[in-house]
Amino acid sequence: EAGVAQSPRYKIIEKRQSVAFWCNPISGHATLYWYQQILGQGPKLLIQFQNNGVVDDSQLPKDRFSAERLKGVDSTLKIQPAKLEDSAVYLCASSAEGRGHTQYFGPGTRLTVL
Amino acid sequence: GENVEQHPSTLSVQEGDSAVIKCTYSDSASNYFPWYKQELGKRPQLIIDIRSNVGEKKDQRIAVTLNKTAKHFSLHITETQPEDSAVYFCAASAGGYQKVTFGTGTKLQVIP
Repeated sequence: EAGVAQSPRYKIIEKRQSVAFWCNPISGHATLYWYQQILGQGPKLLIQFQNNGVVDDSQLPKDRFSAERLKGVDSTLKIQPAKLEDSAVYLCASSAEGRGHTQYFGPGTRLTVL
Repeated sequence: GENVEQHPSTLSVQEGDSAVIKCTYSDSASNYFPWYKQELGKRPQLIIDIRSNVGEKKDQRIAVTLNKTAKHFSLHITETQPEDSAVYFCAASAGGYQKVTFGTGTKLQVIP
């Protein structure tokens, strides 16, 4: 089966600019996750969707981050405006209902904020 | 919420030796414990997982043990090889929505 797709792979922006990331999960996967991974740290969950509904966004900085999942398939994560501390790899993952909790990760988007 | 602690943060072993990475969790409701391997610049990949109704699981050179009473679980890699060098993350999951909390990672270096 095709894996989780993400774009772009790399992005460099200046602080206070806006940026958007896109994720296409594995076909049929109901659950989609966005993680932020700062260099040297473990992935931190930002938001979790079940189909097109949000089930956890407790660690999403809602004053600057937003995310949506259109029709329960693709998802976009936006940062507006970006700060220096947002420099990280943004990982998207998906998992299928009925197959336990195995998450499959995309390649990630490396964001550098200057 | 769940808190997952992982030790050690770095681990160097000679090729052929064993490596052990330990994690503890705080939420007694956690019932799923995956381990991910992340090579430099690549995505995390699941290498083994265990559920709370099992005490041990083995897959070739990799094994995971779970002690629910003590709330800790460990990854064991035997006969290490240079290609085992990577960062390893443990994680714990609880609840019906499969929320996963990751540990801080262990950088494993296998010295040829």
